[in-house]
Amino acid sequence: SAVISQKPSRDICQRGTSLTIQCQVDSQVTMMFWYRQQPGQSLTLIATANQGSEATYESGFVIDKFPISRPNLTFSTLTVSNMSPEDSSIYLCSVEVTGSGNYGYTFGSGTRLTVV
Amino acid sequence: GQQVMQIPQYQHVQEGEDFTTYCNSSTTLSNIQWYKQRPGGHPVFLIQLVKSGEVKKQKRLTFQFGEAKKNSSLHITATQTTDVGTYFCAGGGDTGKLIFGQGTTLQVKP
Repeated sequence: SAVISQKPSRDICQRGTSLTIQCQVDSQVTMMFWYRQQPGQSLTLIATANQGSEATYESGFVIDKFPISRPNLTFSTLTVSNMSPEDSSIYLCSVEVTGSGNYGYTFGSGTRLTVV
Repeated sequence: GQQVMQIPQYQHVQEGEDFTTYCNSSTTLSNIQWYKQRPGGHPVFLIQLVKSGEVKKQKRLTFQFGEAKKNSSLHITATQTTDVGTYFCAGGGDTGKLIFGQGTTLQVKP
């Protein structure tokens, strides 16, 4: 299965600033997914990042607020822009593990963001 | 849009008791996946079900996919304290996206 290195693991940020979260995968993957998980809640898909094309955003999420880069098949970044306390959450990247087995989706360890 | 509902939200059991969480989708799914998230951790893949009526077992865990491919369940026999965590179902479609249920948080009293 794939191994994802996600950083930072946590941060405390001032409102109005931006934070960029990075995910590095140890193998090439076509799609990377970015999720938000608010405390005690489920995972909500923010966007799907494809290499070589613009990310596809889910309803309620826009590129100006959550710009995504996908420069190659092993790396992606998500930026949380102009942050407010409502953006305090855990952000996770994920990739689908394909191959001869059934490995589902692998998640990064998450970035716990607190906006003050 | 597609929704995946999961119940119950919380379940407290005595160690040794059984536990079941149920998942229902508003639309037919290509597959359903189950994940476990320990407190402070990230979701970890448990299993994927693809076929109508499929049943899979992993030791004390039994997973079922409904005949209509719109519902699923996870049953844990004789819970242990190591089973503590939140169990999520996630509906998969042809686009590769997963839609997660709300999760069931399991507490096990020793």
